Amino acid sequence: DVKVTQSSRYLVKRTGEKVFLECVQDMDHENMFWYRQDPGLGLRLIYFSYDVKMKEKGDIPEGYSVSREKKERFSLILESASTNQTSMYLCASSSDATHLHFGNGTRLTVT
Amino acid sequence: DQQVKQNSPSLSVQEGRISILNCDYTNSMFDYFLWYKKYPAEGPTFLISISSIKDKNEDGRFTVFLNKSAKHLSLHIVPSQPGDSAVYFCAATTLGDDKIIFGKGTRLHILP
Repeated sequence: DVKVTQSSRYLVKRTGEKVFLECVQDMDHENMFWYRQDPGLGLRLIYFSYDVKMKEKGDIPEGYSVSREKKERFSLILESASTNQTSMYLCASSSDATHLHFGNGTRLTVT
Repeated sequence: DQQVKQNSPSLSVQEGRISILNCDYTNSMFDYFLWYKKYPAEGPTFLISISSIKDKNEDGRFTVFLNKSAKHLSLHIVPSQPGDSAVYFCAATTLGDDKIIFGKGTRLHILP
């Protein structure tokens, strides 16, 4: 079974802090994704990566960056956290970009 | 511009009856469609999918119907069970593309 692990379930950060969200998958998948889920807005794609050191912008990349130095690890970085980045963040991986395997999410609160 | 639309934010269905969740899409290039289910405090999990070359796919209590001319798909759950209470996301992609586009989700409540 594919396991996608997000390092934190809950995070509380202050406005202006640099925030790192970590995600690790154990199935050697090429593709990894970061989504955020907000009430009434569904799942929105922030960034994705189809190979080590490769990254592509999703639909809402502003205020975020990513890092993929190893195949199994995909990090989401909030350069300067703002209150409108309070959200549930979901990492996913897949071998074929269709059937996504999600982690359990990180609920980030920015105060 | 919302390419995948789930117009019902919530739906309540009696246990044992049929649940029908609807989804519309605007991009005619989409050729693969998926449904994901999400419980609170968990990530979404894949439920069922359908290719545009088919108009129906069935897996146990779950059936997805695709009407390409209407750009509409629906998920039927028969019979509905308490464990089906969750948020259901409709999603679509073009095979070979790297992105899946999700709808806003429909919260399904199964009533005892």
